Amino acid sequence: DAMVIQNPRYQVTQFGKPVTLSCSQTLNHNVMYWYQQKSSQAPKLLFHYYDKDFNNEADTPDNFQSRRPNTSFCFLDIRSPGLGDAAMYLCATSKGWGDQPQHFGDGTRLSIL
Amino acid sequence: QQQVKQSPQSLIVQKGGISIINCAYENTAFDYFPWYQQFPGKGPALLIAIRPDVSEKKEGRFTISFNKSAKQFSLHIMDSQPGDSATYFCAVAYYGGATNKLIFGTGTLLAVQP
Repeated sequence: DAMVIQNPRYQVTQFGKPVTLSCSQTLNHNVMYWYQQKSSQAPKLLFHYYDKDFNNEADTPDNFQSRRPNTSFCFLDIRSPGLGDAAMYLCATSKGWGDQPQHFGDGTRLSIL
Repeated sequence: QQQVKQSPQSLIVQKGGISIINCAYENTAFDYFPWYQQFPGKGPALLIAIRPDVSEKKEGRFTISFNKSAKQFSLHIMDSQPGDSATYFCAVAYYGGATNKLIFGTGTLLAVQP
């Protein structure tokens, strides 16, 4: 009964080759987030959707984009991955704002060759 | 500028002992303070959270202590168990604002020895 599901769990891509990571949720939450977490570091927010409204963090590289075709799914596209983009990518959801807890998936670990 | 400072970076506690992790923040506008627990290979999970209108919140073995004037809050794990071994992140956010953005601390790796 996983609630936030990320696929694949492990992804290997080549330097500069576009890659897409996916996230789905069964919680029917309004908000979906993408975080980047590098080894031994805290998660760093890349962007989020509130319903269809997209909010990009100011320091998120242009190389990263996202799509949310419906409530349940959200995708992270990395157009030209560099070695520095190797990380764990976490998807999270919340029912709304305020003290609504964020529910995280187990992440996709991205490796760049 | 680091908005949330977390210490210690790592912590080793004997089974049955008390684990204490501290966080300090800069911006007095923050008004929601959650703690997340992350096991290896898993996403973070909300453990406990507090708002600044109370100085302490307890849930089972986990307690948040909050000091508004000092802009500090801490997580206490009583009777620590090996199953508590994980990375703990404090976070800050704006409650009731037009965003639910969490700003995480740098994390504390807790090891509870049997």
